[in-house]
Amino acid sequence: DAMVIQNPRYQVTQFGKPVTLSCSQTLNHNVMYWYQQKSSQAPKLLFHYYDKDFNNEADTPDNFQSRRPNTSFCFLDIRSPGLGDAAMYLCATSRAGGNTDTQYFGPGTRLTVL
Amino acid sequence: GEDVEQSLFLSVREGDSSVINCTYTDSSSTYLYWYKQEPGAGLQLLTYIFSNMDMKQDQRLTVLLNKKDKHLSLRIADTQTGDSAIYFCAGEAGTALIFGKGTTLSVSS
Repeated sequence: DAMVIQNPRYQVTQFGKPVTLSCSQTLNHNVMYWYQQKSSQAPKLLFHYYDKDFNNEADTPDNFQSRRPNTSFCFLDIRSPGLGDAAMYLCATSRAGGNTDTQYFGPGTRLTVL
Repeated sequence: GEDVEQSLFLSVREGDSSVINCTYTDSSSTYLYWYKQEPGAGLQLLTYIFSNMDMKQDQRLTVLLNKKDKHLSLRIADTQTGDSAIYFCAGEAGTALIFGKGTTLSVSS
């Protein structure tokens, strides 16, 4: 049973054309995360939501925004994608935040910027 | 902040044991994790170990933790071709997971 679902699995956009990636979860977890993983690199946290509270990592570019309209869904908006934003984007969830809760990852969306 | 280091490649023959090593800098993680990533896929949680434990065994997987040396290892017994993937260790930094760059495990038959 899918628990963390990401759509689409593959997304192609043009340089500068806004794009939205989607994540949904059936776990009823409080926390949802977005990670960026560039080729041959470790995943890097962009931001996370604890319920409706948005928490941005200090070095996340302003070009990246997020929305969480309800518990189940979280969106990653890239306002003006550059070639350097091509990456795998991973959504994860955990029951609660902090360092005692396991994060469960979706399959990822691979973004290509032309 | 937390820094996590892993060797990048490991090649083994089917049936052998694989040992993937990881070192970390920050001792504050309550748990340390191993994730598996198959080509083109997301991260799959394999196992994790509570920081007060030295060892955890889960079927073919054995995790060893040496807190003094800040060293974590993952042993896969009887490695199969289906184990070929990238393995990430991860520690905690507040809410974030800090991942190593991943060890690519190649299993030949």
